[in-house]
Amino acid sequence: EVYLVESGGGLVQPGGSLRVSCAASGFRFSDLWMNWVRQAPGRGLEWVANIKKDGSERYYVDSVKGRFTISRDNAKNSLFLQMNSLRAEDTAVYYCTAGHYGDFRGQGTLVTVSS
Amino acid sequence: DIQMTQSPSSLSASVGDRVTMTCRASQGISYYLAWYQQKPGTLPKLLVYDASSLESGVPSRFSGSGSGTDFTLTISSLQPEDIATYYCQKYDSAPWTFGQGTKVEIK
Repeated sequence: EVYLVESGGGLVQPGGSLRVSCAASGFRFSDLWMNWVRQAPGRGLEWVANIKKDGSERYYVDSVKGRFTISRDNAKNSLFLQMNSLRAEDTAVYYCTAGHYGDFRGQGTLVTVSS
Repeated sequence: DIQMTQSPSSLSASVGDRVTMTCRASQGISYYLAWYQQKPGTLPKLLVYDASSLESGVPSRFSGSGSGTDFTLTISSLQPEDIATYYCQKYDSAPWTFGQGTKVEIK
């Protein structure tokens, strides 16, 4: 069974930085694209970024380009999202997901950007 | 970037009704579309992938259709447990955009 456990969220001031992580198990991590998806309170789902199996390609939603960096460590079955220059509108629960589609397996990690 | 537009944004129907919601892509995405169901306070659950393939364990009253730019999710007989917001998502190429959602309520 696929397990995804997100961590690293918290309260950060506008302009600050945060790194969230996702620990994966139950599947061959290096075989799948990995994604970050976020959901602001009371709002819909927003795809944020994804990374190819070997890390050679990365893509971002326009609103985070130049501020967020997605990365992965296939040896440790881990996915990361480095978030810099955070804004209030980045406040959301951040989920990692595996592959092109599939159930959301983790509970997410809440990132709150506020002074 | 390709935009994904869902309609209606909300609907109200009676138990047993046939319910249809649509997702339109601003450019063709072939069949690379998934539908998710998110019940209040829970995680999104995959219903349909590749536009029309039903995920294992999903009740057969759910079905997906379409290709190119126009897609449909149908609930053949609405049940009380189907109260949720439904999202489409493209995955043909980045960005893998979600639609804004269709909220389904019981009349």
